Amino acid sequence: SQQGEEDPQALSIQEGENATMNCSYKTSINNLQWYRQNSGRGLVHLILIRSNEREKHSGRLRVTLDTSKKSSSLLITASRAADTASYFCATDDKEYGNKLVFGAGTILRVKS
Amino acid sequence: DAGITQSPRHKVTETGTPVTLRCHQTENHRYMYWYRQDPGHGLRLIHYSYGVKDTDKGEVSDGYSVSRSKTEDFLLTLESATSSQTSVYFCAISSRTGRETQYFGPGTRLLVL
Repeated sequence: SQQGEEDPQALSIQEGENATMNCSYKTSINNLQWYRQNSGRGLVHLILIRSNEREKHSGRLRVTLDTSKKSSSLLITASRAADTASYFCATDDKEYGNKLVFGAGTILRVKS
Repeated sequence: DAGITQSPRHKVTETGTPVTLRCHQTENHRYMYWYRQDPGHGLRLIHYSYGVKDTDKGEVSDGYSVSRSKTEDFLLTLESATSSQTSVYFCAISSRTGRETQYFGPGTRLLVL
């Protein structure tokens, strides 16, 4: 069963705008991660946020985590055409041990 | 791609035939994973390994087996391929624990006719 569920399923924005994607999960976690996948390629790790952290930044990425609501958001600021990709959240779900559980992803299209 | 290769990259096979996919890493990472990716399902874990000869089942393990005789190689075998196993298969590795960052290979596209 899937742990993370991303919202929206698809997002289309203009270059320069900000993009926000959300992830909800069901159980207790140690970490939540975000990955990017360009068309036809493998996933690439973007950022990891631990359960005792509330916000984390990496370049144009900002991730927040609310463990009380079991949700996370990924914000990409000043988006570029090269940000066009699918974005997945993944949680480590304490019940499943040393494994990650991925959501179905958000497809982001940045129009130039 | 973090020293991970998958072979073959593309394969077409017929229903009922066995198929083996190979994942090779040069990072000496302990954990290795096989996922399948299908539209609308994200990535689903098939099997994983936490050391040489140490493997365990994932969410969708039926019809698949794995072997890891060396740190660097993790093999996924479809014992008797079915059309429902048409998918894109990804290998991933992780160094410290499976809940930390995973690094993914380029994927293998498998079509079962």
